[in-house]
Amino acid sequence: AQSVTQLDSQVPVFEEAPVELRCNYSSSVSVYLFWYVQYPNQGLQLLLKYLSGSTLVKGINGFEAEFNKSQTSFHLRKPSVHISDTAEYFCAVMGVQGGGADGLTFGKGTHLIIQP
Amino acid sequence: GAGVSQSPRYKVAKRGQDVALRCDPISGHVSLFWYQQALGQGPEFLTYFQNEAQLDKSGLPSDRFFAERPEGSVSTLKIQRTQQEDSAVYLCASRGNSYEQYFGPGTRLTVT
Repeated sequence: AQSVTQLDSQVPVFEEAPVELRCNYSSSVSVYLFWYVQYPNQGLQLLLKYLSGSTLVKGINGFEAEFNKSQTSFHLRKPSVHISDTAEYFCAVMGVQGGGADGLTFGKGTHLIIQP
Repeated sequence: GAGVSQSPRYKVAKRGQDVALRCDPISGHVSLFWYQQALGQGPEFLTYFQNEAQLDKSGLPSDRFFAERPEGSVSTLKIQRTQQEDSAVYLCASRGNSYEQYFGPGTRLTVT
């Protein structure tokens, strides 16, 4: 079984400032890691994923994340945010052993609020 | 191409009524997942289909919840005798050959 902790329920940031959204996970098996974004009244859209290889992964809309196995973390970063980045962000994990058949385990989400 | 679609987008049911929520996955996607997202929470896994076979239903909260995918394409999540605690957004996702799950817009169920 896995669990995901998103330490901040809400993060206010000024426009054009950098942001980091924190994610820690717990698992007894190896996992794949994902960040999804959810805009109001919409489904989830994949920002980026870590499956293997380089621990720094780049995604859409200028976001990137770094997998740190020793700290069991997968923090999301963006060097300069825009008003359009205002949304709910979810970190999720999936056990590797399931071959993709497992459901995702999500954190509770972080609401990113961009202030002009 | 078309993404995952869900209908209805909004459903209001009186306590005790039965509801049926529909999911149309991306064409050709073998895997289909249902999730329940309570207000202010992350989605929680309900059930998983591979083609028409329901391989995992460990997340279904009670025997009032039932899902089917008879022809390996469209799926229906049915909730019998709805209760107030069933109020949530129900998300459907499909997956092709990659590990990425593509989500629909969800159905917001409100039980009054």
